[in-house]
Amino acid sequence: AQTVTQSQPEMSVQEAETVTLSCTYDTSESDYYLFWYKQPPSRQMILVIRQEAYKQQNATENRFSVNFQKAAKSFSLKISDSQLGDAAMYFCAYRPRRTGNQFYFGTGTSLTVIP
Amino acid sequence: EAGVAQSPRYKIIEKRQSVAFWCNPISGHATLYWYQQILGQGPKLLIQFQNNGVVDDSQLPKDRFSAERLKGVDSTLKIQPAKLEDSAVYLCASSLAPFRDRSYEQYFGPGTRLTVT
Repeated sequence: AQTVTQSQPEMSVQEAETVTLSCTYDTSESDYYLFWYKQPPSRQMILVIRQEAYKQQNATENRFSVNFQKAAKSFSLKISDSQLGDAAMYFCAYRPRRTGNQFYFGTGTSLTVIP
Repeated sequence: EAGVAQSPRYKIIEKRQSVAFWCNPISGHATLYWYQQILGQGPKLLIQFQNNGVVDDSQLPKDRFSAERLKGVDSTLKIQPAKLEDSAVYLCASSLAPFRDRSYEQYFGPGTRLTVT
């Protein structure tokens, strides 16, 4: 079974500080994608960053970076220089590469940014 | 490029009534997904289409939910009759067909917030 676990229902960070959101997953696949999605209060889910499992290098997108530990099946998101606009629900997601295109989502972490 | 469109954005119905949601995916996206997102939870896949065929509907409550994508483009999701526990946001998403370049990118619509009273 493929599952995605986010153990932090809520997190908060001071503006301009750094915060790390945790995600672990369970799979027997060796090739897959991992994603972090952001869902602001307006509800539209947008992709923040993705990681391909065969790549050892951690993905980075501006202030967002990941720490991908394949052996530990861990995929954390680091947000640097936090901004008020970063406040949202963040979902970790997994997708096997081989077939089907099905995505599996975690339960989300609600991030509050304190001015 | 236009995004995934959904309508209506909000719907309030009484239990035992029926309701339908509409989704128009991004042009050229062969794969379409319907998710149910209950407050405080992550999206749960209800049904996945590739073109007009169903890839996965294992979590669709088929006694009351139905979905179709007749021409491989727009899709409708119907609930009949609705129950209180169906209150949720219904998200539509689309992506390119499997094995296409960037097929891993999934684009979401704004969702339909359903309240069943």
